[in-house]
Amino acid sequence: NAGVTQTPKFQVLKTGQSMTLQCAQDMNHEYMSWYRQDPGMGLRLIHYSVGAGITDQGEVPNGYNVSRSTTEDFPLRLLSAAPSQTSVYFCASSPTGSLNYGYTFGSGTRLTVV
Amino acid sequence: GENVEQHPSTLSVQEGDSAVIKCTYSDSASNYFPWYKQELGKRPQLIIDIRSNVGEKKDQRIAVTLNKTAKHFSLHITETQPEDSAVYFCAASTGNTGKLIFGQGTTLQVKP
Repeated sequence: NAGVTQTPKFQVLKTGQSMTLQCAQDMNHEYMSWYRQDPGMGLRLIHYSVGAGITDQGEVPNGYNVSRSTTEDFPLRLLSAAPSQTSVYFCASSPTGSLNYGYTFGSGTRLTVV
Repeated sequence: GENVEQHPSTLSVQEGDSAVIKCTYSDSASNYFPWYKQELGKRPQLIIDIRSNVGEKKDQRIAVTLNKTAKHFSLHITETQPEDSAVYFCAASTGNTGKLIFGQGTTLQVKP
């Protein structure tokens, strides 16, 4: 198993550009989430999904869209990038049920918006 | 919604000493409490977790305690070693929502 795979690893965007951060897992996990990590602010939940076709907003959803058309993939779209979205983005997945095993994280995408 | 507060933000100990990190949560329905360790430039990794039907759990030098009445839980690391130096995160989740909320993190430095 490759686990949770995020692409790209690094990205520089200009203000106003849009892009999609990719996340894929091959563990047949039902739960998937996107977090952003900023210095001193921990990991903040952007959007999460409990299965294909089901998504919900987290703590900081503004400026981001998600969809979950398959169990494996959970892309995060930045609609119009802003400098405030400069951050490290982590995708994570967990087996179905009651989070018995916690979330497994991808290696992250470091995004800079100039 | 759920809010998780974590203290202290930084912690420095001598090798061999114990370290304690504390977290409080706001949602009394939360029933799953994992702890993650994140080394510099790496992804967070699960090191231990506890569920609401258990008061304490140990794994070698690491232990977690949970006080549901007070809505707080703690991570205890004994006999600390330099390789324990990292950022530690607590988190809380409610049932089968899939929604896991993290604390702000504690930077632990273990001095040789």
